[in-house]
Amino acid sequence: AQSVAQPEDQVNVAEGNPLTVKCTYSVSGNPYLFWYVQYPNRGLQFLLKYITGDNLVKGSYGFEAEFNKSQTSFHLKKPSALVSDSALYFCAVRDSTSGTYKYIFGTGTRLKVLA
Amino acid sequence: EAGVAQSPRYKIIEKRQSVAFWCNPISGHATLYWYQQILGQGPKLLIQFQNNGVVDDSQLPKDRFSAERLKGVDSTLKIQPAKLEDSAVYLCASSLGRAGTSTDTQYFGPGTRLTVL
Repeated sequence: AQSVAQPEDQVNVAEGNPLTVKCTYSVSGNPYLFWYVQYPNRGLQFLLKYITGDNLVKGSYGFEAEFNKSQTSFHLKKPSALVSDSALYFCAVRDSTSGTYKYIFGTGTRLKVLA
Repeated sequence: EAGVAQSPRYKIIEKRQSVAFWCNPISGHATLYWYQQILGQGPKLLIQFQNNGVVDDSQLPKDRFSAERLKGVDSTLKIQPAKLEDSAVYLCASSLGRAGTSTDTQYFGPGTRLTVL
C-alpha cells in the first residue's frame, strides 16, 4: 500500500527564515502527492499537489514543494516564514491499491514560527 | 463560493449513546468523504460517496457507524452506540470529481469534535 512519512513531529523556525517540512513517500507506480495545512479548530486547507511534470510545485500562501524521485521525498518549503504560518501540516498520497482511490495522510508536523 | 459546512461543531456524549453529524458539501461537488481524525494522527477515510452511491466504506466500523447521502447532496454520519475510542474530530470533505480523476482535490469542512465520556 502507498504511504507517507513525516519524520518530524515539530519544526521550529524564526520568522523571516526559510522553512522546510519533510515528507517521504512509498508508492508503487507514479506518485500523486498533496500538502494540506490545518489551523486550530479548522479543517484542512489544500496547499498544493504534485501529479506529474515540473519537480517544483507552487501553491497557496507562498508555499512550494519539491518532488525528488530518487530520494522519494516531497518536502514543503517557503523562502521566508511568517508567524501566521504556525499550524499543523499534513502530507498525503493518493492510494489505489485497494481498488478504489483514497488519500492516505501522514501523522502531521507542527510548524512553529517564532517572532 | 461557500465552503464545506458541518454541524454541530462540538458534541459531548456518554458512551453507549448515539450521535449524528451533518455535512453539506461545496455546491456541484459530486464526491463526498467522511474522515476520522484522532488526536495526534492524520485523518483516516471512513467512507466515500459518489453522488448518492457508496464508493468505498472499507474502513467504516459498520457495526456502529452508518452514513447516508440520500439525495446526492448533503450527508449524515451516525454512531450508535458510541465508545470511548470514538472520541475524535470527524471531518467532511468534498471534491468536484471522483477520487482518481484530475478534479479530485479535496476541500474540507471545519469538522465536528466528538468527546465520548
